[in-house]
Amino acid sequence: SAVISQKPSRDICQRGTSLTIQCQVDSQVTMMFWYRQQPGQSLTLIATANQGSEATYESGFVIDKFPISRPNLTFSTLTVSNMSPEDSSIYLCSVGSETQYFGPGTRLLVL
Amino acid sequence: GNSVTQMEGPVTLSEEAFLTINCTYTATGYPSLFWYVQYPGEGLQLLLKATKADDKGSNKGFEATYRKETTSFHLEKGSVQVSDSAVYFCALSSSGSSNTGKLIFGQGTTLQVKP
Repeated sequence: SAVISQKPSRDICQRGTSLTIQCQVDSQVTMMFWYRQQPGQSLTLIATANQGSEATYESGFVIDKFPISRPNLTFSTLTVSNMSPEDSSIYLCSVGSETQYFGPGTRLLVL
Repeated sequence: GNSVTQMEGPVTLSEEAFLTINCTYTATGYPSLFWYVQYPGEGLQLLLKATKADDKGSNKGFEATYRKETTSFHLEKGSVQVSDSAVYFCALSSSGSSNTGKLIFGQGTTLQVKP
């Protein structure tokens, strides 16, 4: 399976600011996804990061709040914009089509 | 729409006890089914999977059988260890021509194993 890394691993941010999370894969992958895991909750898909085109967002998630870039087949970024305490979560990227493999996650605390 | 339902936790067992975590699903077509595990402070790791009816996925002593007639994918282990303490997630991925690779997760079940 692919080796997936995320930066930062954790961060503490002030409300109203933005944070960009990076996801790097050690091989080219077609499908890449971003998930959110709120405290004590399950995972919810935010969007599918498409290479060369706009991301496909799930219901309840919008591009203005969670802009995503996918400049190539090994890298993607997710930005959490204008943060509030409700954005405190673990954000995970994953890759794969038939089977998904996850990065280690970015633990975000918004004060 | 597609959904996954897991038994509520936490599940607390003594070491060497038998484990069952129930998972049922609702889906159109023929989904693939997965169990992921999340150890404290870590990301998700794939534990096992099954892609068609009657398939049995297995790994690290854990097993789960894809039962289409009961729409279930229960996770079992014959003898748990303290190191198995984690949160376990059941998930499905739609298959067929509409496959987008998206995973739908159950709510997760926390397992605590005491020595």
